Amino acid sequence: NAGVTQTPKFRILKIGQSMTLQCAQDMNHNYMYWYRQDPGMGLKLIYYSVGAGITDKGEVPNGYNVSRSTTEDFPLRLELAAPSQTSVYFCASTPGTPYEQYFGPGTRLTVT
Amino acid sequence: RKEVEQDPGPFNVPEGATVAFNCTYSNSASQSFFWYRQDCRKEPKLLMSVYSSGNEDGRFTAQLNRASQYISLLIRDSKLSDSATYLCVSGGSYIPTFGRGTSLIVHP
Repeated sequence: NAGVTQTPKFRILKIGQSMTLQCAQDMNHNYMYWYRQDPGMGLKLIYYSVGAGITDKGEVPNGYNVSRSTTEDFPLRLELAAPSQTSVYFCASTPGTPYEQYFGPGTRLTVT
Repeated sequence: RKEVEQDPGPFNVPEGATVAFNCTYSNSASQSFFWYRQDCRKEPKLLMSVYSSGNEDGRFTAQLNRASQYISLLIRDSKLSDSATYLCVSGGSYIPTFGRGTSLIVHP
């Protein structure tokens, strides 16, 4: 049972490039989330999904897109990367309320 | 509008000290509460859930006060390894709300 996995661990992008951050969980959780965390700051919700085929915006969705074609995978797409997207990105999953979230190890992204 | 408020600290305490953190939440419909621990440049990990009756896990005790809408975390006999950021979380629906975290530094 690997839990929540994220790839890549690190990435440097040039301004205007695009990339997909991968997230997968093997716990059969319906709910999945993408957060970003800037240095010294709290977690900000980007997008979330309550099940395959269902996604919704969080607090800071601009510049990102997601899809949820399977229960296991929840990729985050960055289009036209900007320096403001330099951050650590965490994916998380939970079977639902009132259960805790399980986090992946994060992807550290730098846009220069 | 901030829904979960925490004192960012840092709380700087000597080994063996007892330290307490409070966290206030604004959503009275919140049904579940948690404390997470986050080490530098790592993912948050669940420390403990917070129940209405309070709960204890070794040196850690969590309390919930619904009337005043706050939760607390007490750490007894602090260890160097307790140095981390502690995140308070409230969840009334499928979108939990995280506080910014309280930084704890335990020194020799």
